[in-house]
Amino acid sequence: QDQLVQSGAEVVKPGASVRISCKTSGYTFTKFFIHWVRQAPGQGLEWLGWINPGIGTTKYSQSFQGRVSITRDTSATTSYMELRSLTSEDTALYSCARTQAFNYDSVFDLWGQGTLVTVSS
Amino acid sequence: SYELTQPPSVAVSPGQTARITCSGDGLAKQLTHWYQHRPGQAPVVIIYRDSERPSGIPGRFSGSSSGTTVTLTINEVQAEDEADYFCQSADHTGIYVFGSGTKLTVL
Repeated sequence: QDQLVQSGAEVVKPGASVRISCKTSGYTFTKFFIHWVRQAPGQGLEWLGWINPGIGTTKYSQSFQGRVSITRDTSATTSYMELRSLTSEDTALYSCARTQAFNYDSVFDLWGQGTLVTVSS
Repeated sequence: SYELTQPPSVAVSPGQTARITCSGDGLAKQLTHWYQHRPGQAPVVIIYRDSERPSGIPGRFSGSSSGTTVTLTINEVQAEDEADYFCQSADHTGIYVFGSGTKLTVL
């Protein structure tokens, strides 16, 4: 069945970067955009951006522009999210999720299990 | 980026009706989806495109839209409906946004 499986939890120091992976399986990689979303403790969901796996184009939230990079490896059907210059406010559960490619009105129909990122000295 | 505003919490007794609103300037032109989110689980779509209900979602869940506000209505609330609910939309350029989230408490 269709799956998104993320890499394990990370503990990183303030000022450092973190890179999380999202391995997809069970479906055609290029038919769905991969998004990255986070939820800080006690907070709501926050959208970081998406990648079109087919051609590698990306779109980022203005809130994270310049600090986040989303990439993909088509041979590995995997997406990666790197977030730089981390502070304690970046401590959150980071999740990948998919929507239909080129359809901004489609729903998030499949989610990864989430990766806890803790920023601590 | 724009925001979608939801009430932080709604509390109702079993059998009553819960209404959760989601407001945002862009919603007059954009479709909105609703998700139910339980701790430790992936969010589940309960209403899509403002008012459509996916197969398998109980008929007591419904959605409506008026101007810049969309509303999720849960009739005859049951204890199992206690969860976080959030709305989500996207503009024509591909910028996505989530609502601030509403915790539904069944008293």
